[in-house]
Amino acid sequence: AQTVTQSQPEMSVQEAETVTLSCTYDTSESDYYLFWYKQPPSRQMILVIRQEAYKQQNATENRFSVNFQKAAKSFSLKISDSQLGDAAMYFCAYRSINNAGNMLTFGGGTRLMVKP
Amino acid sequence: DAGVTQSPTHLIKTRGQQVTLRCSPKSGHDTVSWYQQALGQGPQFIFQYYEEEERQRGNFPDRFSGHQFPNYSSELNVNALLLGDSALYLCASSLEGPNSPLHFGIGTRLTGT
Repeated sequence: AQTVTQSQPEMSVQEAETVTLSCTYDTSESDYYLFWYKQPPSRQMILVIRQEAYKQQNATENRFSVNFQKAAKSFSLKISDSQLGDAAMYFCAYRSINNAGNMLTFGGGTRLMVKP
Repeated sequence: DAGVTQSPTHLIKTRGQQVTLRCSPKSGHDTVSWYQQALGQGPQFIFQYYEEEERQRGNFPDRFSGHQFPNYSSELNVNALLLGDSALYLCASSLEGPNSPLHFGIGTRLTGT
């Protein structure tokens, strides 16, 4: 079974600065998807960024980018030019490419605080 | 275009009671998944429904059951409620297949007393 670990329960960043959230995972599969989701106080999970394991290029979405290290099983999220609206819980998630469904395995989350 | 809608948003039930939560998927989606998110933790997969059948199930007891209707909406039922079942229950919908992104609702906050 796959596991996802987020070792930082809380992180803090100054507005306009850059912050990196860490995620490691364990799997015996060679192909899979990795995700970062944001959960603001409104509770709705919002997809931030997605990475396919077979792609060597790191995914980027505007101010959000990842550092995907497949051999190390590491998948960190970098948020540049942090904004007050970035404050939320962030969850790293894994999805197998092999099963028929699209079940996600989530990490425990990192609470990001943004200081004005 | 309505996204994923869940009802109710909050629910308080007594230990031992049966609970029913409801989910309407995003328009055009045919697959519904349910997750349990305990306070301060990441969501845990309960099960997934496709074509009105349970296709995949996580590590949850049989007290947790579900149903998908012909219009793709879904119900999550919890029998013999335990205090430990208190959590946020998230519904997510998608198109069938591992390449389709999940769209989440805002969840139902279930509190057992």
